[in-house]
Amino acid sequence: GQQLNQSPQSMFIQEGEDVSMNCTSSSIFNTWLWYKQDPGEGPVLLIALYKAGELTSNGRLTAQFGITRKDSFLNISASIPSDVGIYFCAALYKGGSQGNLIFGKGTKLSVKP
Amino acid sequence: NAGVTQTPKFRVLKTGQSMTLLCAQDMNHEYMYWYRQDPGMGLRLIHYSVGEGTTAKGEVPDGYNVSRLKKQNFLLGLESAAPSQTSVYFCASSYSGLAGVHGELFFGEGSRLTVL
Repeated sequence: GQQLNQSPQSMFIQEGEDVSMNCTSSSIFNTWLWYKQDPGEGPVLLIALYKAGELTSNGRLTAQFGITRKDSFLNISASIPSDVGIYFCAALYKGGSQGNLIFGKGTKLSVKP
Repeated sequence: NAGVTQTPKFRVLKTGQSMTLLCAQDMNHEYMYWYRQDPGMGLRLIHYSVGEGTTAKGEVPDGYNVSRLKKQNFLLGLESAAPSQTSVYFCASSYSGLAGVHGELFFGEGSRLTVL
């Protein structure tokens, strides 16, 4: 079945550095989403992407929907300590019905002050 | 605003015991979901519901049952708990449509279940 390959699995960076993570698949999707999970909390939606090639920003976060519809990227600029958490990509099957949202395995981000 | 509320937050069970996790949402969402989160596995869908009185299987439904008797509540039951069901369980809800309005799920804070 469909599978999302999210990388890297974990990152240890210095405060102020930029962060890049991505999600790839062999399947085509019509919606890509990025969620963040703070320690001890449930995931919260950061950015949603609906069109191939779309580039969307939310503060220091920028995400892109790949042209091939098989991948997506998330960048965080000038990281700060509160960026710590697990970032999940998620995607909806092309033409999918309810229940066809799948998640990547997450990228765990640690920030050294 | 409460959003999505899960109870209990923590529970320890012995193998073979049964229990029910309760999820309540106050956003009048049609769709509700139960996920489990395991280290290195991400979020996996157990069961979901597209409306009151309906349920459907997700990716990993075995060993779980669900009920949606009221629109605002979605119950996840374990009839005979096994150590493999040790996990953090998340309930989520969304507006109608493809997993919500283009996929936005609202998650609860999670319920940590340990089966000994």
